Amino acid sequence: DADVTQTPRNRITKTGKRIMLECSQTKGHDRMYWYRQDPGLGLRLIYYSFDVKDINKGEISDGYSVSRQAQAKFSLSLESAIPNQTALYFCATSDPQGQGVSDTQYFGPGTRLTVL
Amino acid sequence: TQLLEQSPQFLSIQEGENLTVYCNSSSVFSSLQWYRQEPGEGPVLLVTVVTGGEVKKLKRLTFQFGDARKDSSLHITAAQPGDTGLYLCAGRSWGNTGKLIFGQGTTLQVKP
Repeated sequence: DADVTQTPRNRITKTGKRIMLECSQTKGHDRMYWYRQDPGLGLRLIYYSFDVKDINKGEISDGYSVSRQAQAKFSLSLESAIPNQTALYFCATSDPQGQGVSDTQYFGPGTRLTVL
Repeated sequence: TQLLEQSPQFLSIQEGENLTVYCNSSSVFSSLQWYRQEPGEGPVLLVTVVTGGEVKKLKRLTFQFGDARKDSSLHITAAQPGDTGLYLCAGRSWGNTGKLIFGQGTTLQVKP
C-alpha cells in the first residue's frame, strides 16, 4: 500500500463550489505539506504543518485553507473554487533529519483538479 | 523571494546521448535536492547534496552542488528511454524550516 495517499485522484468542479482534497500518510511523519503544480512553474508551496497544532502559510495560500485532523491526515480546502485554481495538487510528508538539512519529502500521487 | 531557475525546460534526445540539466539561483541554500517525476505520480527523491562542491553519482547520473551553494547540475551519461520524465531541483533555505523552493522542472524525453 502507498505510504501517502490522496483523494480524490481527479475532480472536476464548477466556479464557486467548495472543494476538499484529502491526504493520509502511514509513514508516521509529523511534517506535512500541500503543493500545487502548474506547467512551467514547478511546485509551489500552499500550506505546511510541522505537527497537529502547527499550521503555516506557504507562498501561495490565498484562496486555500487547511486542516490537520491528526498526525496522519492533512486536508486542503478551496472555499470558493475559481478557474485559475485548476492544477495538479500534491501532498507530501517529511521526517526531519538533524537540523533538517537533508530530509526527504515523500509525495502522494497527486489530485488533478479542474475548475470550470 | 528565492528563485531557482532550471534549464533547459524541455529536452528531447536520442538514446545513448549525454545531457546536462542546470539549476541556478542568486540565493544560497543549505542543501539542494533533485527529484524525478513520472506521469501520474508524485516526485521521488534522487539525491541530496549538502556540501559546496559536492559531487554524487547514482549509476549514470552525476549531481554536483556549486562551490557557492547557489547552483547545481545533473549530468546523465548514455541516456536511456527509462530516464524519460520530469526532473526537478529543490533548494532548502537555511534553518530548520523544512521548506523547499522548487525549480520549474526539466522535461526529458529519450527516444529509442
